[in-house]
Amino acid sequence: AQTVTQSQPEMSVQEAETVTLSCTYDTSESDYYLFWYKQPPSRQMILVIRQEAYKQQNATENRFSVNFQKAAKSFSLKISDSQLGDAAMYFCAYTPLGGGSEKLVFGKGTKLTVNP
Amino acid sequence: GAGVSQSPSNKVTEKGKDVELRCDPISGHTALYWYRQRLGQGLEFLIYFQGNSAPDKSGLPSDRFSAERTGESVSTLTIQRTQQEDSAVYLCASSAGLAAHNEQFFGPGTRLTVL
Repeated sequence: AQTVTQSQPEMSVQEAETVTLSCTYDTSESDYYLFWYKQPPSRQMILVIRQEAYKQQNATENRFSVNFQKAAKSFSLKISDSQLGDAAMYFCAYTPLGGGSEKLVFGKGTKLTVNP
Repeated sequence: GAGVSQSPSNKVTEKGKDVELRCDPISGHTALYWYRQRLGQGLEFLIYFQGNSAPDKSGLPSDRFSAERTGESVSTLTIQRTQQEDSAVYLCASSAGLAAHNEQFFGPGTRLTVL
């Protein structure tokens, strides 16, 4: 079964600094997608960034970037120039490509605190 | 256009009662998903619908849970004879199709509390 592990229950960062959130996953599939979702206190899940496993280039979205290491099954999220609005729960998620329902498998999340 | 909406926002019920949770997906989205999020946990997949295909119910935790969807519109998740362990936030998501590259857009969820 596919699993997603986030080993950091909580992280904190100073405003304007950089923070990296860790995620590892387990799968026997060769083609899949990986995602980072942000969940603020409003509960609404917001897609931050996604990576297609067959693309070697790491995805980047403005201040958010990933370090995707396929062989190591690692998918970390780097947030640069952290802002107070980045404070939230962050979830790493996985879905196989073409496997059927494309349901997302989530990690347990990392709570990010941004200190002014 | 409008995003995914869910109602009610919060629901408090007594153990043993039945509850219905509603999800209105984004118009035109053929795929609809239900997830459960227990306190301090990630999301657990419950069920998905895609057009007129048979739903994938593989994530439903027991036969007390069921869901329906009318065409490509509203979906309801029903929990019968609720238990305290059913207390969680229930999130609905929709996407333009089943392929993994279609982003799932989430609603704000329904927080269910079973007393």
